[in-house]
Amino acid sequence: QVQLQESGPGLVKPSETLSLTCAVSGYSISSGYYWGWIRQPPGKGLEWIGSIYHSGSTYYNPSLKSRVTISVDTSKNQFSLKLSSVTAADTAVYYCARLGVTTLSCWFDPWGQGTLVTVSS
Amino acid sequence: EIVLTQSPATLSLSPGERATLSCRASQSVSSYLAWYQQKPGQAPRLLIYDASNRATGIPARFSGSGSGTDFTLTISSLEPEDFAVYYCQQRSNWPPTITFGQGTRLEIK
Repeated sequence: QVQLQESGPGLVKPSETLSLTCAVSGYSISSGYYWGWIRQPPGKGLEWIGSIYHSGSTYYNPSLKSRVTISVDTSKNQFSLKLSSVTAADTAVYYCARLGVTTLSCWFDPWGQGTLVTVSS
Repeated sequence: EIVLTQSPATLSLSPGERATLSCRASQSVSSYLAWYQQKPGQAPRLLIYDASNRATGIPARFSGSGSGTDFTLTISSLEPEDFAVYYCQQRSNWPPTITFGQGTRLEIK
């Protein structure tokens, strides 16, 4: 059974870089699949941040692209998110998830439990 | 960029009733739409992918239909645990993006 677990600081100062890691168990990232990050501001809806293939190919939300870096470490079976120059608007629960992908579709399953990151001085 | 619009924003029903949730895309997404359920304090859970395929372990009372721009998630007979927020999601090939609808809150009447 594939399980994902997010980790990282729960509090980040404005203008600094948010860094999170998603540890994957029950499946080897190097075997395939895309992996992604999604966030949800308190009381609001879901926003896709970006996705990465096990080979390192990435796709980012155009609205965040200039500030986002997603990387993968197959040796540790984990992937990571960095979001730079954060503001209060980046306060959210951050989820990692595996993507099921076909030629024209994709879906997120399973998801990590999520981790709340607050941007505040 | 494809925009997904869900309606209604809130749906008030009683256990045992039938729920019909709508997701409309601003342009055709063929049959490539997913649905998720999210309960308070929990991560979203995949219900339906490719518009009509139930994910593993999802009860048969959940069904998805539609193609092109109009999609529906139907819960045939509501159980108490079905009251939650539901999101639709699609993928665009160009630009390569993933978008979610704004959600429909299904509440107990």
